Amino acid sequence: AQSVTQPDIHITVSEGASLELRCNYSYGATPYLFWYVQSPGQGLQLLLKYFSGDTLVQGIKGFEAEFKRSQSSFNLRKPSVHWSDAAEYFCAVDPLDKLIFGTGTRLQVFP
Amino acid sequence: DTGVSQNPRHKITKRGQNVTFRCDPISEHNRLYWYRQTLGQGPEFLTYFQNEAQLEKSRLLSDRFSAERPKGSFSTLEIQRTEQGDSAMYLCASSLTSLARYNEQFFGPGTRLTVL
Repeated sequence: AQSVTQPDIHITVSEGASLELRCNYSYGATPYLFWYVQSPGQGLQLLLKYFSGDTLVQGIKGFEAEFKRSQSSFNLRKPSVHWSDAAEYFCAVDPLDKLIFGTGTRLQVFP
Repeated sequence: DTGVSQNPRHKITKRGQNVTFRCDPISEHNRLYWYRQTLGQGPEFLTYFQNEAQLEKSRLLSDRFSAERPKGSFSTLEIQRTEQGDSAMYLCASSLTSLARYNEQFFGPGTRLTVL
């Protein structure tokens, strides 16, 4: 069965520091992979997606993610975190017309 | 493009009552999805429609849950005889099918249900 694992429940970083959020997936075929962000009171917003091709994908708000098939990973990165990045981040896979989400990583940013 | 809207945003009910939520998708989108998100978890797929047709239902969708999309536009999700375990955020998303393999889902703000 398809699944997504986000091993870090909660991460705290200082503003300006770099960030990496981990995501591992389980899926038999070539996955469609996504990162969403959810702020309090807001809907889920798509940060970036991977379908095929270049394994390093760029997204909005300065985020990027790298697909590594050998490690079944799709980690999210940002070189310099801003206080406004504090939110919940979800990795997801789409096996066929529906999204399967991980449990999320809550990012806290200290000034 | 006004985005996906959901009403109400919050609902508090007593156990055993029925509740109904509404989702208005982006106007030209033909697919509509419902997800449920409990505290500390990611959203879980419940069901989806293409136009008026309900194409898939998750095992999470018990007999007490029913969803409709009568004219292929807005959708309602009804929960009968609510239980405390139904307390969650109910998310709606919509997408437009096209020749592209993937059709991005756009999410609404959700309806938070609290069952007392």
